[in-house]
Amino acid sequence: GDSVTQMEGPVTLSEEAFLTINCTYTATGYPSLFWYVQYPGEGLQLLLKATKADDKGSNKGFEATYRKETTSFHLEKGSVQVSDSAVYFCARRNTGGFKTIFGAGTRLFVKA
Amino acid sequence: EAQVTQNPRYLITVTGKKLTVTCSQNMNHEYMSWYRQDPGLGLRQIYYSMNVEVTDKGDVPEGYKVSRKEKRNFPLILESPSPNQTSLYFCASSLGTSSYEQYFGPGTRLTVT
Repeated sequence: GDSVTQMEGPVTLSEEAFLTINCTYTATGYPSLFWYVQYPGEGLQLLLKATKADDKGSNKGFEATYRKETTSFHLEKGSVQVSDSAVYFCARRNTGGFKTIFGAGTRLFVKA
Repeated sequence: EAQVTQNPRYLITVTGKKLTVTCSQNMNHEYMSWYRQDPGLGLRQIYYSMNVEVTDKGDVPEGYKVSRKEKRNFPLILESPSPNQTSLYFCASSLGTSSYEQYFGPGTRLTVT
């Protein structure tokens, strides 16, 4: 079945470091791809999304590009802040579909 | 304010005692869904609903029931909870499928002893 695979965490970085969180997805259908972020004690909220191949989603300095050839949607940020400490989830949702598949989540710690 | 609300936020119960977790959204969304979050497993979909009176199973529906009698409400029912249903539960809603983002509630932490 469909799946989403994320790099295992936790990821620990110093402030202003470069961040990459890898995400790959199964290629069946034409999914939309999402990154959600979960801050401590809260529900998930959308960080960015891309709906077709080569689209780039961006928000709050984070970016991810929908790569069909490598079935990847890696999350990047050039300079992380302490306030970026959270759990990040990659997700896919098929065109016209109702099911959403989430990755296991990657916890990010950013040290001052 | 556009939001998804869940109640209760925390619940400790005993095996076999029926419980309901409520979920309500004020955005007139057609699509609603329930997830459980467990360490190392991410979020897994329990049930979803495409509209009033239309529901379907997600990936882990065993031991759960749902109903959608009104567009805004989508309660999750555990008729006979067991310890393996101890988890963090999230309700979500979206305007549609595919490319539409989901809006999540704050979560309900359930402990079954």
